[in-house]
Amino acid sequence: GAVVSQHPSRVICKSGTSVKIECRSLDFQATTMFWYRQFPKKSLMLMATSNEGSKATYEQGVEKDKFLINHASLTLSTLTVTSAHPEDSSFYICSALNPGSASTDTQYFGPGTRLTVL
Amino acid sequence: KQEVTQIPAALSVPEGENLVLNCSFTDSAIYNLQWFRQDPGKGLTSLLLIQSSQREQTSGRLNASLDKSSGRSTLYIAASQPGDSATYLCATFLGSARQLTFGSGTQLTVLP
Repeated sequence: GAVVSQHPSRVICKSGTSVKIECRSLDFQATTMFWYRQFPKKSLMLMATSNEGSKATYEQGVEKDKFLINHASLTLSTLTVTSAHPEDSSFYICSALNPGSASTDTQYFGPGTRLTVL
Repeated sequence: KQEVTQIPAALSVPEGENLVLNCSFTDSAIYNLQWFRQDPGKGLTSLLLIQSSQREQTSGRLNASLDKSSGRSTLYIAASQPGDSATYLCATFLGSARQLTFGSGTQLTVLP
């Protein structure tokens, strides 16, 4: 089955530093990936849609200069949280569309990254 | 804008009971609806996906139904087990927006 990985699984950083999270599709090429954020006991909120070779599309209220997304290849998208602050602490999950699957709108989810900003 | 609501927010049942989780959505023009399981601190595991033309899907002890006209879906879990303890999320996919909208989940605890 389609597998999506995320790295790191957990990261703790100091306020003001930048953190990069990687999302990889391991056994398929993903032209579209999605980045979600989840607060404790809350739902997943879509942050942005990442398309290979083009700029990401950000949801309303998400700062594009704060959350930099790069989708440089068909198997890798990165989310960089710039100048992180404690309020950026959250669980970040990526997903990828597998165009080769029977249902081209099925998203395959990564295991998530827990970011803690001190 | 699609809104997805899940009731109850939390549920605790003794092992062996059958249970129903509810999901409602405001925009019935969905392409499909999906139920996920999320264990604490983990990512999402897809359980069942129901296309808009379908009424239900079954997988083992799980059965999901979809009533588009009323904007509702249910996830039925038969003979619950402690290993079923997790948060269950439903999500709708709107063809127009081409994105998933998630409910806030139901946290299920099955007591041994």
